Amino acid sequence: NAGVTQTPKFQVLKTGQSMTLQCAQDMNHNSMYWYRQDPGMGLRLIYYSASEGTTDKGEVPNGYNVSRLNKREFSLRLESAAPSQTSVYFCASSERGNTPSYEQYFGPGTRLTVT
Amino acid sequence: GQSLEQPSEVTAVEGAIVQINCTYQTSGFYGLSWYQQHDGGAPTFLSYNGLDGLEETGRFSSFLSRSDSYGYLLLQELQMKDSASYFCAVRDGASGTYKYIFGTGTRLKVLA
Repeated sequence: NAGVTQTPKFQVLKTGQSMTLQCAQDMNHNSMYWYRQDPGMGLRLIYYSASEGTTDKGEVPNGYNVSRLNKREFSLRLESAAPSQTSVYFCASSERGNTPSYEQYFGPGTRLTVT
Repeated sequence: GQSLEQPSEVTAVEGAIVQINCTYQTSGFYGLSWYQQHDGGAPTFLSYNGLDGLEETGRFSSFLSRSDSYGYLLLQELQMKDSASYFCAVRDGASGTYKYIFGTGTRLKVLA
């Protein structure tokens, strides 16, 4: 089991460029999440998907879009990157089937710099 | 709205006991979780309290008082490898989903 995987691990973008961060989990989890973490800060939820076919905004959704491609994959897109989006991005998953799980499993993160 | 408050930094010596507090305000309460994050790493789950009282997992324990909207993480027999940031998190009661709100984290420094 690889758990939660994210690609790429590092990325540098110029202002205005677009990119998609990929996330996949192999634990058959229903819920998936995208967070950003700025230096010295906690995790802030960008978007989440409670189950396949649904997505909802989190605390800081502006400038981002998401796609729940299937049960395994949840991607995050930056359409026009801005320096304020420089951050570490974490994908996470939780909840097997109908059994509530209070544990979130996190991927290794993508370190994004926008110049 | 929902918010969580934690101390920003705690320092202790190897072998000691340290307590990291978390107070929360939520629109509905579905339990308090704790996560550990080493520098450069991903958060990893430590514990969950859904009901009042103490939960113990090895050297780590977590406590919850729902009437006081307060919880803490207790780390015993501190080791150098415990130097990390610790986050408390609550589930968003309003959404009805497993969406979590995280605190800003407490950085624990363990001194030799």
